[in-house]
Amino acid sequence: EAAVTQSPRSKVAVTGGKVTLSCHQTNNHDYMYWYRQDTGHGLRLIHYSYVADSTEKGDIPDGYKASRPSQENFSLILELASLSQTAVYFCASSRDRGGTGQLYFGEGSKLTVL
Amino acid sequence: AQSVTQPDARVTVSEGASLQLRCKYSYSATPYLFWYVQYPRQGLQLLLKYYSGDPVVQGVNGFEAEFSKSNSSFHLRKASVHWSDSAVYFCAVRPNTGGADRLTFGKGTQLIIQP
Repeated sequence: EAAVTQSPRSKVAVTGGKVTLSCHQTNNHDYMYWYRQDTGHGLRLIHYSYVADSTEKGDIPDGYKASRPSQENFSLILELASLSQTAVYFCASSRDRGGTGQLYFGEGSKLTVL
Repeated sequence: AQSVTQPDARVTVSEGASLQLRCKYSYSATPYLFWYVQYPRQGLQLLLKYYSGDPVVQGVNGFEAEFSKSNSSFHLRKASVHWSDSAVYFCAVRPNTGGADRLTFGKGTQLIIQP
């Protein structure tokens, strides 16, 4: 059974609309991450969290918010979606402090903004 | 800040042939180094990792990688590829400090296996 699940797996949004991508993990990991993948850019870190009710900015946080209401759940929020946010978004988790760099990824959420 | 360069966007290899995917990193010290693989329509999966010690590390499915401090490289190798190895391969680095696994990924190399 998949340990990191994302929803929706695919979404079409309109420019200026609000988009919420959700992630749920059953790994009992403290850390959760949101990455975006663009062709030719690899993966880039947007936000991450190491404890419920707290989030941290990653390398490209502009235009995104994150929410960690519990250890298991981590959401990525686009308040005003833009064309440039069309991408595939991956959620990942990793174990506790002193991490090993082993991330466990979900299967991705493909977002198309029109 | 660290960075990762994978100079080959696409590599084509015949089934049964050997493989090397190149990765160079930039970091002030020796980071933790990783290779991840992404199969179509899936998330990334860890292939192997290097923290310290023996510069040659073994991974799953016959993959290995060699760390070179002098060259700032971490190249991935396999002696004999199989059609199922077709995927995108990402090299990644992580500073060997701090609690969060803030990985920096390369742009990826698409591996195409010819019959």
